[in-house]
Amino acid sequence: AQKVTQAQTEISVVEKEDVTLDCVYETRDTTYYLFWYKQPPSGELVFLIRRNSFDEQNEISGRYSWNFQKSTSSFNFTITASQVVDSAVYFCALSEGRGGTYKYIFGTGTRLKVLA
Amino acid sequence: DAGVIQSPRHEVTEMGQEVTLRCKPISGHDYLFWYRQTMMRGLELLIYFNNNVPIDDSGMPEDRFSAKMPNASFSTLKIQPSEPRDSAVYFCASSRGTSGGLYTDTQYFGPGTRLTVL
Repeated sequence: AQKVTQAQTEISVVEKEDVTLDCVYETRDTTYYLFWYKQPPSGELVFLIRRNSFDEQNEISGRYSWNFQKSTSSFNFTITASQVVDSAVYFCALSEGRGGTYKYIFGTGTRLKVLA
Repeated sequence: DAGVIQSPRHEVTEMGQEVTLRCKPISGHDYLFWYRQTMMRGLELLIYFNNNVPIDDSGMPEDRFSAKMPNASFSTLKIQPSEPRDSAVYFCASSRGTSGGLYTDTQYFGPGTRLTVL
C-alpha cells in the first residue's frame, strides 16, 4: 500500500543550525512524484518542491536542499543555517497513479521549531 | 496571479446548522481538490473535480457532506447538518492538469477555512 512516513514528529534547533527532515515512502508504482510543503503558523500550505521518480539529482534552492534516494525510498529535506522564520510544519507527499487510481498521499508532518 | 481563494477563513456554527465553504481555484487550472486537516487524521483528500466534474468522492466521510463545482471558477463544500466532529481546517487546492497525467501535477493550496462546530 502507498504510504509516506515522517518519523520525526517535532524537531527543535537553535538558529543557524542545520536540520534535516526525513521522509520515507512506499509505493508499487515505478513512476511517481514526491513533494514537500511548508505550513507556517498562519496555516496555509506552501509548495516547496516537486521531484519525479526518475530524477535522483539532489536539488538546492538557497538554504534548502533535497536528497532523493530511490534505493532507500527516501526524500529528505535539509535546511542550512536555519532561521526563526523556518519554524513551521513540513509535509512530504507522494503522488502516483500513472496506471490506475490517482493517489496524493501526505505524511503526518514534522513540526520544526527554530529558537533564537 | 491570484492563488486559490477560500471563504470564509473562519466559521463558527452550532451543531445541526448547514455550513457552506467556498473556493475559487487558480485561473486555468483544470483540477480542484477538497481536503480536511485534523490533528488525529492529518490531511485527507475528500473529493476532486476535473473540468467541473466530480471524479473521486471516496474520501467524503458521510452523506452529510456534498460538493459541487457549477463552473470552472467556483466550488462549494457543504455540510448539512454539521456535527462537532466536523471541526477541522478545510483546504481547497487546484492543479493545472498536464498531458503527463494528474499524478505529475503540483497542487496549490488555498489558505484554508477553519471550521468550529459547537
